Amino acid sequence: AQTVTQSQPEMSVQEAETVTLSCTYDTSESNYYLFWYKQPPSRQMILVIRQEAYKQQNATENRFSVNFQKAAKSFSLKISDSQLGDTAMYFCALIQGAQKLVFGQGTRLTINP
Amino acid sequence: DTGVSQDPRHKITKRGQNVTFRCDPISEHNRLYWYRQTLGQGPEFLTYFQNEAQLEKSRLLSDRFSAERPKGSFSTLEIQRTEQGDSAMYLCASSSGSVLAGAAYEQYFGPGTRLTVT
Repeated sequence: AQTVTQSQPEMSVQEAETVTLSCTYDTSESNYYLFWYKQPPSRQMILVIRQEAYKQQNATENRFSVNFQKAAKSFSLKISDSQLGDTAMYFCALIQGAQKLVFGQGTRLTINP
Repeated sequence: DTGVSQDPRHKITKRGQNVTFRCDPISEHNRLYWYRQTLGQGPEFLTYFQNEAQLEKSRLLSDRFSAERPKGSFSTLEIQRTEQGDSAMYLCASSSGSVLAGAAYEQYFGPGTRLTVT
């Protein structure tokens, strides 16, 4: 069975600071994908960043980057120069092939002005 | 096509009533997924389709739940004899399913249907 664990229920930082959200996962497969999704308050889920397990290079998307440690089964998200609009629930998710996403419990991130 | 759409956005129903939700995926996405999300939790998988074929159903999907995707385009999720425990956000997502597209496994979500059973 695949599992995804986010151990930080809530985090809060000041605007412009850097914040790192943690995620660990478990899977017996060698080929899989990891994602971070953002869900702003009362708004829909948005894909933030994707990492293919077979790629050693960490993915980056503008201010968002990941630290993918395959052996440790760790997949953290770093948000640089945080903005008020980054306030949201962040979900780490795992998928194998074109099947179901398995989500973590989420981290509620608040960016304070 | 601007994304995945869902209808209705909100539904309030009395216990025991039947409800049906609709999802329209991104055009040409052949995979469509349904998830359920309760307050403060991550979404949980319910079922998914490749074209019109329903390929997997979660154990969460009791016999009161049924989903269809008759022509491989939009999908419906019906809940019969609703119970208070069915109150949740029902999310639909779609993906291209084509490895040639590069991001074959990325799922794009709709805004969800919030169901409240009183």
